[in-house]
Amino acid sequence: QVQLQESGPGLVKPSQTLSLTCTVSGDSISSGTYYWTWIRQHPGKGLEWLGYIYHSGSAYYNASLQSRLTISVDTSNNEFSLDLRSVTAADTAIYYCARLATVTTQGFDSWGQGTLVTVSS
Amino acid sequence: DIQMTQSPSSLSASLGDRVTITCRASQSISSYVNWYQQKPGKAPKFLIYAASNMQTGVPSRFSGSGSGTDFTLTINGLQPEDFATYYCQQSYDTPPTFGQGTKVDIK
Repeated sequence: QVQLQESGPGLVKPSQTLSLTCTVSGDSISSGTYYWTWIRQHPGKGLEWLGYIYHSGSAYYNASLQSRLTISVDTSNNEFSLDLRSVTAADTAIYYCARLATVTTQGFDSWGQGTLVTVSS
Repeated sequence: DIQMTQSPSSLSASLGDRVTITCRASQSISSYVNWYQQKPGKAPKFLIYAASNMQTGVPSRFSGSGSGTDFTLTINGLQPEDFATYYCQQSYDTPPTFGQGTKVDIK
């Protein structure tokens, strides 16, 4: 059974870069039938898709964040990462990594537990 | 982007009730709708895909229907563990977008 686990700092200063990593176990990122995804949730709010990446490195981003966001993949360590630059308080949220099934359900079928990132000086 | 609008935003129900949540897409999306359940402090859980197909392990009291622009999630016989927030999500186009959520709480 696949498991995803987010890691990274819980506090980031304004204007700095928010960096998170999602470590995948129980499945290979290189398996080729999934997009590896970042989704966030502002406190008490709904879900916002940030972007996803294929094992080949092809990435797709939310247009509203594209200028500040980079998602990368490390197949050798079976993990993928998010870098969000020039953060503000509006980037304070719970960040989830998730697996998007591209062939079967086309849904986010596995999620990490989420990590709260607070942007504050 | 395709907008997904859920109604109601919240509802109160009793154990054993039948609950229906609706989701409307801003354009036709065939049957490309998924549903998730989220409990406080937890990640969303994938319930239904392609509008009406149950993910493995989801209780049969959950069902989904619809196509085009209008979709519903129904819970037949509400159980204590069903009190949560439910989200629809369209998988028709990139970016994938979610409804704003419907919170189901105890009457």
